[in-house]
Amino acid sequence: AQSVTQLGSHVSVSEGALVLLRCNYSSSVPPYLFWYVQYPNQGLQLLLKYTSAATLVKGINGFEAEFKKSETSFHLTKPSAHMSDAAEYFCAVRAVGDYKLSFGAGTTVTVRA
Amino acid sequence: DTAVSQTPKYLVTQMGNDKSIKCEQNLGHDTMYWYKQDSKKFLKIMFSYNNKELIINETVPNRFSPKSPDKAHLNLHINSLELGDSAVYFCASSQVAGETDTQYFGPGTRLTVL
Repeated sequence: AQSVTQLGSHVSVSEGALVLLRCNYSSSVPPYLFWYVQYPNQGLQLLLKYTSAATLVKGINGFEAEFKKSETSFHLTKPSAHMSDAAEYFCAVRAVGDYKLSFGAGTTVTVRA
Repeated sequence: DTAVSQTPKYLVTQMGNDKSIKCEQNLGHDTMYWYKQDSKKFLKIMFSYNNKELIINETVPNRFSPKSPDKAHLNLHINSLELGDSAVYFCASSQVAGETDTQYFGPGTRLTVL
């Protein structure tokens, strides 16, 4: 089964600093990859997704992620953190030909003023 | 106008009871899902329906039974509730069951079993 590993269950950044959230997938065949965000007491919202069209994917709210096959990674970045970025972030994977979306354990982002 | 809605938002009940959670989407999507998020925020797929047909049925106790009366609705019925069923349950939908389709999530139902 496809799986993703999110390194770091908790990331704390200063407002204006770079946000870097790490995600690695386990598959010999590149899967489809997604980043979702969950704000407190809300459902998940798609930030961006990799569908093999382009390796650098831009999403909403200034986030972007780069697919690197050689590193089996899909790390999420934002150049300058904002207080409103405080949330839970989930990396998710879907294998080619599979209906199922499998989520990583999540990374909690806190932003310090 | 809410895209994916769930009722109730909170559900507190006693062990052994039977309860239902309702989900509706007004996006015109063909596929709907139920996820369970545990206390450590780990999300796991439970079921998925595509055009009212069950396409994902994970290893879930048979006390859980999904029902899809039409494409816009997917309900979750839980019999004989146990303490371990306490979690947040999310409904989601996507246009089709495609590999790259975005899933749209509801706000969640927080179930607490006492």
